[in-house]
Amino acid sequence: QVQLQQSGPGLVKPSQTLSLTCAISGDSVSSNTVAWYWIRQSPSRGLEWLARTYYRSKWYKNYAESVESRVSINPDTSKNQFSLQLNSVTPEDTAVYYCVRFEQTVSTIDSWGQGTLVTVSS
Amino acid sequence: DIVMTQSPLSLPVTPGEPASISCRSSQSLLHSNGYNYLHWYLQKPGQSPQLLIYLGSNRASGVPDRFSGSGSGTDFTLKISRVEAEDVGIYYCMQTLQTPLIMFGQGTRLENK
Repeated sequence: QVQLQQSGPGLVKPSQTLSLTCAISGDSVSSNTVAWYWIRQSPSRGLEWLARTYYRSKWYKNYAESVESRVSINPDTSKNQFSLQLNSVTPEDTAVYYCVRFEQTVSTIDSWGQGTLVTVSS
Repeated sequence: DIVMTQSPLSLPVTPGEPASISCRSSQSLLHSNGYNYLHWYLQKPGQSPQLLIYLGSNRASGVPDRFSGSGSGTDFTLKISRVEAEDVGIYYCMQTLQTPLIMFGQGTRLENK
């Protein structure tokens, strides 16, 4: 049973950086049959993917166009976790952020973190 | 980008009665391997979404058999044969044909009548 445990602050000031971490248990961040995503959910934008990383002999990373210029996803094999950084946040980045596991063999998300409500406000 | 459209957006149901949710995609989700890259999730109040149906019609582990998925190409349906009180929440369809681009429907709120 894969479990994803998110951590990070729930309040970020405008123009600062949002940083979240997702600790993985029951699987490896380096697994060659899965990918790891960050997704956010807000009333205005619904469920929106932000970033993806996966390992296939080397690390790959992809970013949504809407945040590409200010987002970064980073795996940490030593701690078996991955992280999200979103720079220059505005109130429109207020959302519940989820880390998820995407199983390639069935091409779907089969595990979700518990979600972190991040509010951007001064 | 593929656009996912669900209907209805709100679905009041009497427990014990059936329910049906539609999901339409702007492009076919049928892969050359024969599978439809369409999945269904339920987000119960205060929880993260949970997988119900994957690849169009396959129930995820532990999902009751009152849930079923059908459809192909651009038109898909999630059916609940007899709604139970624990089934309330928001149902989402999701397409994964164009990963990393994952797109969700707007969600259908199922509530007790």
